Amino acid sequence: GENVEQHPSTLSVQEGDSAVIKCTYSDSASNYFPWYKQELGKGPQLIIDIRSNVGEKKDQRIAVTLNKTAKHFSLHITETQPEDSAVYFCAASKGGADGLTFGKGTHLIIQP
Amino acid sequence: DSGVTQTPKHLITATGQRVTLRCSPRSGDLSVYWYQQSLDQGLQFLIQYYNGEERAKGNILERFSAQQFPDLHSELNLSSLELGDSALYFCASSVGGRGANVLTFGAGSRLTVL
Repeated sequence: GENVEQHPSTLSVQEGDSAVIKCTYSDSASNYFPWYKQELGKGPQLIIDIRSNVGEKKDQRIAVTLNKTAKHFSLHITETQPEDSAVYFCAASKGGADGLTFGKGTHLIIQP
Repeated sequence: DSGVTQTPKHLITATGQRVTLRCSPRSGDLSVYWYQQSLDQGLQFLIQYYNGEERAKGNILERFSAQQFPDLHSELNLSSLELGDSALYFCASSVGGRGANVLTFGAGSRLTVL
């Protein structure tokens, strides 16, 4: 089955700086790559997703890039703010009955 | 509020016991997914139901079972509980049953087995 590796497990950046979280996947048939943000005491919330027919997608301060050849995708957060502090999960899916396979998460800490 | 409702929020029980977790999907969603989140294993997919029928199975133990009812709510039954079953259990819902679906998660049920 699909295997998703996520790095780093913890990322600390200064407020206002950029943060980058990287994921690799194993199944070349995967075609959907969402990113979820989980705040303390809450469930994961979708923040951005990308499908395999595009290489990059942006939504304000958040962007995701996908390299199908290398089988990796990344989350970029610019101008980080205190409210960006959370655990971020990447995931991959090839649709069908396999559902989403998640990475183990990145704890993003924004230092004031 | 994501629109996915899970009860109870917290549950403390003893080893060997049985518990039932309940999930109501977002209005209009036909699929329900169950995930287990523990510190060392991240989010593990357990099982998916679509419009009342089992659609996919992940790493669900034989001691665990689930069902989706005609009103689309779902229940996850955990029996012969062990200490290692202590975790957060999330329910998610989506509109479709196949393809790459956008999942909406509930706030989770925290299970503690003593």
